[in-house]
Amino acid sequence: GAVVSQHPSRVICKSGTSVKIECRSLDFQATTMFWYRQFPKQSLMLMATSNEGSKATYEQGVEKDKFLINHASLTLSTLTVTSAHPEDSSFYICSATRNAGQKFAEQYFGPGTRLTVT
Amino acid sequence: SQKIEQNSEALNIQEGKTATLTCNYTNYSPAYLQWYRQDPGRGPVFLLLIRENEKEKRKERLKVTFDTTLKQSLFHITASQPADSATYLCALDTRGSYIPTFGRGTSLIVHP
Repeated sequence: GAVVSQHPSRVICKSGTSVKIECRSLDFQATTMFWYRQFPKQSLMLMATSNEGSKATYEQGVEKDKFLINHASLTLSTLTVTSAHPEDSSFYICSATRNAGQKFAEQYFGPGTRLTVT
Repeated sequence: SQKIEQNSEALNIQEGKTATLTCNYTNYSPAYLQWYRQDPGRGPVFLLLIRENEKEKRKERLKVTFDTTLKQSLFHITASQPADSATYLCALDTRGSYIPTFGRGTSLIVHP
């Protein structure tokens, strides 16, 4: 159990366009989902915490107007990279927890989305 | 400044040996520490969580220790196999919440 999927797995887009990435919890309800970005050989950097039915909480330095997050249901969160630029090229990973708020909650990660902006 | 340090150099070992990976941290007093495995181009997979009041935790061939005095966690894989080759990330509580902060990870390569 506790499977998280992401779609697409890879996407190439042109500079200036927008890209939407979906994150789904397949067999559990996730009141909270997280979006990370990972550059090669770097650690996962938390971008935002997404709560179902409310606005996402963004980490310092992450532009909320550029990285739009929607958590429309208990099993789906989306990240839209608006007006993408080459520097936005990265590996985007979502995760979900079944026990939001509990201190020792385990996170279940999606397989990631490789975004390349040309 | 606050840091989570994992050896950036890959660890190369022979099949059957015990792999030991290190996670050091400074200026935190984490309530827990987690270890994840990440394969290339994939998301991390949770392996183990150890709490601040626990010294050691085991799961099959995996063993994690947590020394809050040394501010260090050791991650051991016994009887290592080529299939254990991956990057291993430590993650720890840096802000008193259930959202951990991740280290950069250490690549483990097990040679047959």
